[in-house]
Amino acid sequence: RKEVEQDPGPFNVPEGATVAFNCTYSNSASQSFFWYRQDCRKEPKLLMSVYSSGNEDGRFTAQLNRASQYISLLIRDSKLSDSATYLCVVTNTGFQKLVFGTGTRLLVSP
Amino acid sequence: NAGVTQTPKFQVLKTGQSMTLQCAQDMNHNSMYWYRQDPGMGLRLIYYSASEGTTDKGEVPNGYNVSRLNKREFSLRLESAAPSQTSVYFCASRDSADTQYFGPGTRLTVL
Repeated sequence: RKEVEQDPGPFNVPEGATVAFNCTYSNSASQSFFWYRQDCRKEPKLLMSVYSSGNEDGRFTAQLNRASQYISLLIRDSKLSDSATYLCVVTNTGFQKLVFGTGTRLLVSP
Repeated sequence: NAGVTQTPKFQVLKTGQSMTLQCAQDMNHNSMYWYRQDPGMGLRLIYYSASEGTTDKGEVPNGYNVSRLNKREFSLRLESAAPSQTSVYFCASRDSADTQYFGPGTRLTVL
């Protein structure tokens, strides 16, 4: 079983739609969680950290469910510019290695 | 601040040739990383360096060597390139909040 698993998609949604991605992780000791965004042929960039109580940044909401070992990303009012691949990232505090999921591709159409 | 820089951006090698990928960061981070990214495989860790003077193997170290030259620079060397090493290579550094900052990548093709 992979340490971090994501649905590769693609998720095809119209502008203005709400879309949600999940990511499951296998190590129950994982402590830090992130969503990164990667545009085509570009480097990954941090979208947002995921906190235990859930957190929001504009149209983006991230949630953590430790009991079921998954994190989620909700995007409201999708824009064309949201089209990208979204990477789930998990690490343990003090550990040097971050584990990346393979990404979920989102395509937002007019 | 330039963040994380990588050179070269593109490279074509023949099987058996060697080359070094350069990476530098100006954010005073202790930890630095080298990843490769292949279609459908996601980012895979090749080597990392927790601090100046230390390096450790990641998930796919075979065929690669690294040097942490100083706090700023972390290079990746392919001694004898193979077609299986055709990939996009990303260098990254990590801050105290576990956020990783990536360079723009090197697209390597081995013929």
